[in-house]
Amino acid sequence: SQQGEEDPQALSIQEGENATMNCSYKTSINNLQWYRQNSGRGLVHLILIRSNEREKHSGRLRVTLDTSKKSSSLLITASRAADTASYFCATRDTGRRALTFGSGTRLQVQP
Amino acid sequence: DAGVTQSPTHLIKTRGQQVTLRCSPKSGHDTVSWYQQALGQGPQFIFQYYEEEERQRGNFPDRFSGHQFPNYSSELNVNALLLGDSALYLCASSLSSLAGGDNEQFFGPGTRLTVL
Repeated sequence: SQQGEEDPQALSIQEGENATMNCSYKTSINNLQWYRQNSGRGLVHLILIRSNEREKHSGRLRVTLDTSKKSSSLLITASRAADTASYFCATRDTGRRALTFGSGTRLQVQP
Repeated sequence: DAGVTQSPTHLIKTRGQQVTLRCSPKSGHDTVSWYQQALGQGPQFIFQYYEEEERQRGNFPDRFSGHQFPNYSSELNVNALLLGDSALYLCASSLSSLAGGDNEQFFGPGTRLTVL
């Protein structure tokens, strides 16, 4: 079963705009990871945030984590057409080694 | 530094057949996890192998089995294929960690299985 739920399911923006995707989960976690997937291909690891961290940056990516609300957000600034992809959050639940994925947000960046 | 590789890229089978998918982990990694991703969905965890043993399993029937070899590569076997087994099968490798470790997983390109 899916734990994480991304919101929105689909997002369409213009190049240069910022894109924000949200993820909610249900259990206690060790960390939360964001992945990108292009057209049904393999997943590309974007960023990992640990349960004791609140915010993390990597290039144009900014991730926040609120464990009290069991939610995370991924912000992509100054989006590019090449950012068009599906984005998934995945949690590593406490005591487990598997990743539990959400259903993803499909981002379309119009040139 | 080779990343995670999977073979074959695509596969077409008929109902009732058996299939074997292969995965080579990223250099230096010792743990392999398998995921099934149906169209339009997020990946679902099948199982994880470490030290040639299944260490953790998701909610998949016994028709799904696996193996890990001494060189850390892995196979996923699916018996008695059903139409619903059509999906992208993803392999992910990681470095085994103690409790509380990050378990950052790196994914291969996947094998697209179509069951007719």
